[in-house]
Amino acid sequence: EDQVTQSPEALRLQEGESSSLNCSYTVSGLRGLFWYRQDPGKGPEFLFTLYSAGEEKEKERLKATLTKKESFLHITAPKPEDSATYLCAVLTLGGNSGGSNYKLTFGKGTLLTVNP
Amino acid sequence: EPEVTQTPSHQVTQMGQEVILRCVPISNHLYFYWYRQILGQKVEFLVSFYNNEISEKSEIFDDQFSVERPDGSNFTLKIRSTKLEDSAMYFCATGSGFRAFFGQGTRLTVV
Repeated sequence: EDQVTQSPEALRLQEGESSSLNCSYTVSGLRGLFWYRQDPGKGPEFLFTLYSAGEEKEKERLKATLTKKESFLHITAPKPEDSATYLCAVLTLGGNSGGSNYKLTFGKGTLLTVNP
Repeated sequence: EPEVTQTPSHQVTQMGQEVILRCVPISNHLYFYWYRQILGQKVEFLVSFYNNEISEKSEIFDDQFSVERPDGSNFTLKIRSTKLEDSAMYFCATGSGFRAFFGQGTRLTVV
C-alpha cells in the first residue's frame, strides 16, 4: 500500500525564519510528487509537481526538491501570509492494464504558522 | 486562470437521504477525481474517472457511492442513504496527465 508521511505535523516560525517541511514516501510506480497549499475550509491549491529525483521547482519563497525517498519544501524568509497547511501527494498508476487509473495519495499535511 | 467549480458549497441533509454533489471540470481535462476530507483528517482518495468510466476506486467508495458525467461536462458524485459519518468536505479534482487541480469543495453535513 502506498504510504506518504509528512513531518513535522505542525511548525511555528517567526517571520523571516527559514525552514523545511519533509515528505517521505513508499510507493510503487511513482509518476509524480505534488505539493499543495490548503487554507482552512478551502480546496488544495496546486504548488508544484516533481517527476524525478534531483528535480527542483521554485515559486516565490518556496522551493521543492525530490529524492528517491522523500521531498522537501523549503520556505525562505516566510511571511504571515504563508501560514497554511502544506500537503504532499504522490501520483501513482494503478494496476489495471488500461493505464488510466492515476490516483493521488495524500499525506496528513504540515500546519505552518508564521508569526509576525 | 481556469478553475474547477463545485456546487453546492454547503449541503445539509438528513440521515438516510440521497445527495448529489456537482463539479464542473476544467475544459479539456480528461481525468476526474473525487476526494473526501473529514474535519481534521487527511484528504482521502475516493474514485478516479476516465473515458466515461471508473478507473480506480478506494475501499471507501462502496455501493453507497456512484459517479457519472450526465451531460458530458458536469461530473457528479451521488451518495445514497447518507450516514452521519459521511459528513466531510468533498473535493472534485480534474487533471490532464500529471497535474490535478482541485475545486473549493462541498461541505456535506449529515444530521
